Amino acid sequence: SQQGEEDPQALSIQEGENATMNCSYKTSINNLQWYRQNSGRGLVHLILIRSNEREKHSGRLRVTLDTSKKSSSLLITASRAADTASYFCATDGGDMRFGAGTRLTVKP
Amino acid sequence: ETGVTQTPRHLVMGMTNKKSLKCEQHLGHNAMYWYKQSAKKPLELMFVYSLEERVENNSVPSRFSPECPNSSHLFLHLHTLQPEDSALYLCASSPGQGAAYGYTFGSGTRLTVV
Repeated sequence: SQQGEEDPQALSIQEGENATMNCSYKTSINNLQWYRQNSGRGLVHLILIRSNEREKHSGRLRVTLDTSKKSSSLLITASRAADTASYFCATDGGDMRFGAGTRLTVKP
Repeated sequence: ETGVTQTPRHLVMGMTNKKSLKCEQHLGHNAMYWYKQSAKKPLELMFVYSLEERVENNSVPSRFSPECPNSSHLFLHLHTLQPEDSALYLCASSPGQGAAYGYTFGSGTRLTVV
């Protein structure tokens, strides 16, 4: 099994700005998922995008998937201080494997 | 609450102690997982149970011993731990084994080994 790798490791923006996080992976996938983790808590499932989908939206979240480049991006629009958290991508090579995450800080 | 409950939330134990972590889900899921999260490292998958049977053990030291008495409960028994075992231990469940659907995580147990 292989895991996604998030980029950048850390991102700091002002409230109201957009935040973009990227994920790369190495092998073929059936789906890719994004999760959010508040400090010291469990992960919360945000969105799942299947390999035959190119873009998916959920509220202020927009996820893209480019299987030819083996990459995905998570865009959070009009960020809020409450969006401060770590964000992880995970791929479905067997059981779920996670990267080290992107630490997003949104300053009020 | 996510539907996956982990207890205790925090645990401090000495290297010679024996303790257990508990995870409970009432989502009707058939697969349960233990993950270890250490600072600035990817989550490490430790154990996978599907329909109460262990299906994966990722070279975890024998001082960690899982138990799944039924599809709603998962335990992680700890004994003779090392300081480097200090981490956040996360339990997750899913409708079936594998990543076809999202995982539901508990809030974790913060373990400190002294």
